Amino acid sequence: RKEVEQDPGPFNVPEGATVAFNCTYSNSASQSFFWYRQDCRKEPKLLMSVYSSGNEDGRFTAQLNRASQYISLLIRDSKLSDSATYLCVVNGGGSYIPTFGRGTSLIVHP
Amino acid sequence: DVKVTQSSRYLVKRTGEKVFLECVQDMDHENMFWYRQDPGLGLRLIYFSYDVKMKEKGDIPEGYSVSREKKERFSLILESASTNQTSMYLCASSKLQGAPDTQYFGPGTRLTVL
Repeated sequence: RKEVEQDPGPFNVPEGATVAFNCTYSNSASQSFFWYRQDCRKEPKLLMSVYSSGNEDGRFTAQLNRASQYISLLIRDSKLSDSATYLCVVNGGGSYIPTFGRGTSLIVHP
Repeated sequence: DVKVTQSSRYLVKRTGEKVFLECVQDMDHENMFWYRQDPGLGLRLIYFSYDVKMKEKGDIPEGYSVSREKKERFSLILESASTNQTSMYLCASSKLQGAPDTQYFGPGTRLTVL
């Protein structure tokens, strides 16, 4: 299984800001992509899947760029409650075992 | 809702002890996984299982073994605990055997080995 890389951050942003994270993957045969959210001392939970056509859920937008082999997560109008670590997950490409990035830390301050 | 439970939230053991961590899922998922998570290292896969009595090594299986006698239960065993096995242990399950799928995690067990 190949690597998945994320900028660990932390990204420190004020409430209301727009913030974007990228995640690069090395296995061009990867088939499915996800963003998970992990709160401090809690388990990861699925935030959203990333489809080839992109995916939007309220303030969150995820996109896939197969040519450059990265996925992105955009958070608009950041809330204090968005403070968490965001994990990029890549599946497929000969294995159904997911590969997790190390996560990007987001801190939203008043 | 999928529910994945782990036997303990916090555990303190001594070096050399045999440690059992249990994980149970209630949604008839085919795949189950054990990870450990350490600061700066992210989630690392220890073992996974895609069927009862089947197991596969992950990235860091040394010092661990697993057991899956029933579909809903996946146990992680530390045969002789060592201080470098102090970590957060996370169990996960996913539905589709042999296919990429969403993972559902348990709340984690924070193990300290003294």
